[in-house]
Amino acid sequence: ETGVTQSPTHLIKTRGQQVTLRCSSQSGHNTVSWYQQALGQGPQFIFQYYREEENGRGNFPPRFSGLQFPNYSSELNVNALELDDSALYLCASSRQGAGEKLFFGSGTQLSVL
Amino acid sequence: ILNVEQSPQSLHVQEGDSTNFTCSFPSSNFYALHWYRWETAKSPEALFVMTLNGDEKKKGRISATLNTKEGYSYLYIKGSQPEDSATYLCAFPMDSNYQLIWGAGTKLIIKP
Repeated sequence: ETGVTQSPTHLIKTRGQQVTLRCSSQSGHNTVSWYQQALGQGPQFIFQYYREEENGRGNFPPRFSGLQFPNYSSELNVNALELDDSALYLCASSRQGAGEKLFFGSGTQLSVL
Repeated sequence: ILNVEQSPQSLHVQEGDSTNFTCSFPSSNFYALHWYRWETAKSPEALFVMTLNGDEKKKGRISATLNTKEGYSYLYIKGSQPEDSATYLCAFPMDSNYQLIWGAGTKLIIKP
């Protein structure tokens, strides 16, 4: 158990809708990273939040947005859902630094119909 | 464009045999190299984070080596067991913000 929880575990939405995914961070961690994982690929970096500020972003459009709260938990919001957004969304909490291990939640499986 | 390559893509190994697989990464601007194990229906779990050229890390029957000058890391599993069946992922921090880019993984299947 990593102490990182994600909700919901599964979600079905239709094209054009909006979705919010949530992630708690492990005690003592101030950084949350979000990843999109499609079958057969490694996780793709969406963005990272460090002390409530966005700290870098991958190659995802602006309709992917996020928040980090004072307790370091985080949300990922996706607007105007597209079919290609169907994937497993993982969050990971850590301390800040290249040598710090990531602690992952179990993921949210999003299906867009 | 930074790229992390893993090989092979998948591997079938007889129980009791030893095995190894590779992660290749850019050799410039090295910060660290991460290895994770991802078992089906579970979360990815950190195995090692390696930061120094020549580093060797060990966790039970699993060990890893690092060559930052030539840009590769090997993961070794000695005496494979069924519980070793998983996808093994490596990841490389792409910039000073330490955001990770990931390989596609090596899927290891242990045959009893």
